[in-house]
Amino acid sequence: NAGVTQTPKFQVLKTGQSMTLQCAQDMNHEYMSWYRQDPGMGLRLIHYSVGAGITDQGEVPNGYNVSRSTTEDFPLRLLSAAPSQTSVYFCASSRTGTVDNEQFFGPGTRLTVL
Amino acid sequence: GNSVTQMEGPVTLSEEAFLTINCTYTATGYPSLFWYVQYPGEGLQLLLKATKADDKGSNKGFEATYRKETTSFHLEKGSVQVSDSAVYFCALARTGGGNKLTFGTGTQLKVEL
Repeated sequence: NAGVTQTPKFQVLKTGQSMTLQCAQDMNHEYMSWYRQDPGMGLRLIHYSVGAGITDQGEVPNGYNVSRSTTEDFPLRLLSAAPSQTSVYFCASSRTGTVDNEQFFGPGTRLTVL
Repeated sequence: GNSVTQMEGPVTLSEEAFLTINCTYTATGYPSLFWYVQYPGEGLQLLLKATKADDKGSNKGFEATYRKETTSFHLEKGSVQVSDSAVYFCALARTGGGNKLTFGTGTQLKVEL
């Protein structure tokens, strides 16, 4: 099992560019989520999904889109990147969306927006 | 709203020293509490958890007790090792909120020989 994988590991964008951060898991987990990690602020939830075809907003969803067409994949799209989106992005998954299920995190994508 | 407050880091200790990392929380109801650890260059890993008052979570020599009266979940280890050097995050999931986590800012621990 690869667990939770994220690509790319590093990315530099210019303001206004678009890109998609990829996240995949091979554990057949229903629940997947995206967090961003900023210095002095811990991790904050961007979007989450409780199953294929179902997504919802987290704490900081503005500027990001998600979709969940398969159980395995949960891409995060930046439609028009802004310097405020410079951050480290983590994808996580768990068997279900109930709190007693351990969440597994990917290794992260470090994004810089110039 | 929900929030988690952790002690500022970095915390620097000698090997075999006693570790305490303070964590307090604000939440309605009875949240579940977690400690996650992030080793350099890696994603977060669940270290331990507690789901109700007075529960003690433990793993790899680390312990934390869910204290509702003081709204705290302090992380302790009796004898740290160099391999424990990492960033430690306290987090909560509110009652009925599913698996959505609210994290503290993280505390970096450095253990020296």
